[in-house]
Amino acid sequence: DAGVTQSPTHLIKTRGQHVTLRCSPISGHKSVSWYQQVLGQGPQFIFQYYEKEERGRGNFPDRFSARQFPNYSSELNVNALLLGDSALYLCASSPEGGGETQFFGPGTRLTVL
Amino acid sequence: GEDVEQSLFLSVREGDSSVINCTYTDSSSTYLYWYKQEPGAGLQLLTYIFSNMDMKQDQRLTVLLNKKDKHLSLRIADTQTGDSAIYFCAEIANQAGTALIFGKGTTLSVSS
Repeated sequence: DAGVTQSPTHLIKTRGQHVTLRCSPISGHKSVSWYQQVLGQGPQFIFQYYEKEERGRGNFPDRFSARQFPNYSSELNVNALLLGDSALYLCASSPEGGGETQFFGPGTRLTVL
Repeated sequence: GEDVEQSLFLSVREGDSSVINCTYTDSSSTYLYWYKQEPGAGLQLLTYIFSNMDMKQDQRLTVLLNKKDKHLSLRIADTQTGDSAIYFCAEIANQAGTALIFGKGTTLSVSS
């Protein structure tokens, strides 16, 4: 079975632009979480979605938004990009979103120039 | 607040045992996790331990949990060069859905 998939692999944007990152969870998993990992740090929680509803939100500005689709895939949107948004964006899926183990995808490397 | 702390760097010789330590703050955490990250890659789940356990062994990996001191450790027996990576300790932050709170990671370097 395929694991968590993310697209694109790499992305280069300029300040002020917006970006959309995509994630497909493991088949049968209904919950998707997004994390931001800046260089040299551990991942920081951004959002969790379960059954298309936001289950949790981390300490990120309103420029960050996400949604989950009926097929459980998810998009993370970031508006008005700043240099500090440059990071590896990780998506994780879990079966029910109730505290079970989360399985991570390979990530999308975003560079903001 | 929630915080997970780890030592930043560990260097061992091939064949030795490695011990990576972690302290956490949320005493209500139900599960504690160890993830491995190789350069340029995502996170690979290594193992996890439920909070009512003291120890869990999985092949070369041994996890020890001291709930009183909020201390978690990961022991890798017979460390190989392929074990070189960054290891993250993580706890569940119950105050934000089921978010994982990660430490900054321990870089394990294995020399032959």
